[in-house]
Amino acid sequence: DTAVSQTPKYLVTQMGNDKSIKCEQNLGHDTMYWYKQDSKKFLKIMFSYNNKELIINETVPNRFSPKSPDKAHLNLHINSLELGDSAVYFCASSLDRGNYGYTFGSGTRLTVV
Amino acid sequence: GENVEQHPSTLSVQEGDSAVIKCTYSDSASNYFPWYKQELGKGPQLIIDIRSNMDKRQGQRVTVLLNKTVKHLSLQIAATQPGDSAVYFCAESDSWGKLQFGAGTQVVVTP
Repeated sequence: DTAVSQTPKYLVTQMGNDKSIKCEQNLGHDTMYWYKQDSKKFLKIMFSYNNKELIINETVPNRFSPKSPDKAHLNLHINSLELGDSAVYFCASSLDRGNYGYTFGSGTRLTVV
Repeated sequence: GENVEQHPSTLSVQEGDSAVIKCTYSDSASNYFPWYKQELGKGPQLIIDIRSNMDKRQGQRVTVLLNKTVKHLSLQIAATQPGDSAVYFCAESDSWGKLQFGAGTQVVVTP
């Protein structure tokens, strides 16, 4: 009964491929996020959805496209993968947008070769 | 993160001693400041948070201080244990709930 679950945990793929990462939360939270953590551990927000509505869209290449079919799910699709996309991607959720703590998933380590 | 400076980047302490991590934030409108612990291979986990209507908050062996005047935050971990070894992040939240994280502090507790 993991609170925020991401799949897959590891993803190794070749440059130019398209891949998706899935995220689900069973906490009843309204807001979900995608963060990217680089090799130096720096965490940077990519997207946020509140009740299926996109509310934060940082400066991210448009090869990255989030999709939220319902408020419990937030998926991330990446087209034409590049070497620089290699990182750990974290999904998170919070009760609502605003000043609430996040619950993070365990991450997806993406390696592009 | 460019809006949150965190130091030190690495902190080595002996078991039983205290560890102190400091952050400076830039957005005077921020009013929520969480701290996260990230163990190897896991996602960040919220350990304590503080809102701008407080200047101190205590948890189990952790204390966070907030000085809004100079936009400083600090986290103290008392009586450190080997299980406290991890990367710790401070963060500030804007009104949209977007968290800007500090660059992290690798804490190593040696027995």
